[in-house]
Amino acid sequence: DADVTQTPRNRITKTGKRIMLECSQTKGHDRMYWYRQDPGLGLRLIYYSFDVKDINKGEISDGYSVSRQAQAKFSLSLESAIPNQTALYFCATSRTVSTDTQYFGPGTRLTVL
Amino acid sequence: DQQVKQNSPSLSVQEGRISILNCDYTNSMFDYFLWYKKYPAEGPTFLISISSIKDKNEDGRFTVFLNKSAKHLSLHIVPSQPGDSAVYFCAASARGYQKVTFGTGTKLQVIP
Repeated sequence: DADVTQTPRNRITKTGKRIMLECSQTKGHDRMYWYRQDPGLGLRLIYYSFDVKDINKGEISDGYSVSRQAQAKFSLSLESAIPNQTALYFCATSRTVSTDTQYFGPGTRLTVL
Repeated sequence: DQQVKQNSPSLSVQEGRISILNCDYTNSMFDYFLWYKKYPAEGPTFLISISSIKDKNEDGRFTVFLNKSAKHLSLHIVPSQPGDSAVYFCAASARGYQKVTFGTGTKLQVIP
């Protein structure tokens, strides 16, 4: 079984809809991250969490919110989706320090019409 | 402000030849660098890393070189194989930093 799972894998939605992307991990890591990948822009950090009570904004957090329900679960919400949020979204985990290897989920391809 | 840049969006190399992927950074505080590889429909996976106390790190066919004065690093793949065809992301961080900064990625195609 995969160490980091994301659901759904693909989602098409309409402008203005609320969307939740979920991430679960079995690696026992404290740190979890949400990234988005856009062509020509690489991976950009949306939010990150060091534990259940510690959530931090990344470089592109506007329009997104997150919830760390447990050590193993970290969800990303788009309260009112807009077309420029169409992207590939990745969840990742790591042990402790920022230089530790990050383990990524398979990604969620989100299309906002 | 893109602190980690990969100026070549794509690269094509013949099988058996050397692939050289480049990465430049602007933040002089970065002291730890990583390369990740990403296949289609999968998440990125860690490939190799280097600390700023070194100028070279080797792992099998993969070698990363770091030139601190030029704020430049490169990934060499020798010999290149078709299975190496993927998108490669350079990433940078520092001890004490809370996060890692990724580059824009280079798509490598190894032609059989």
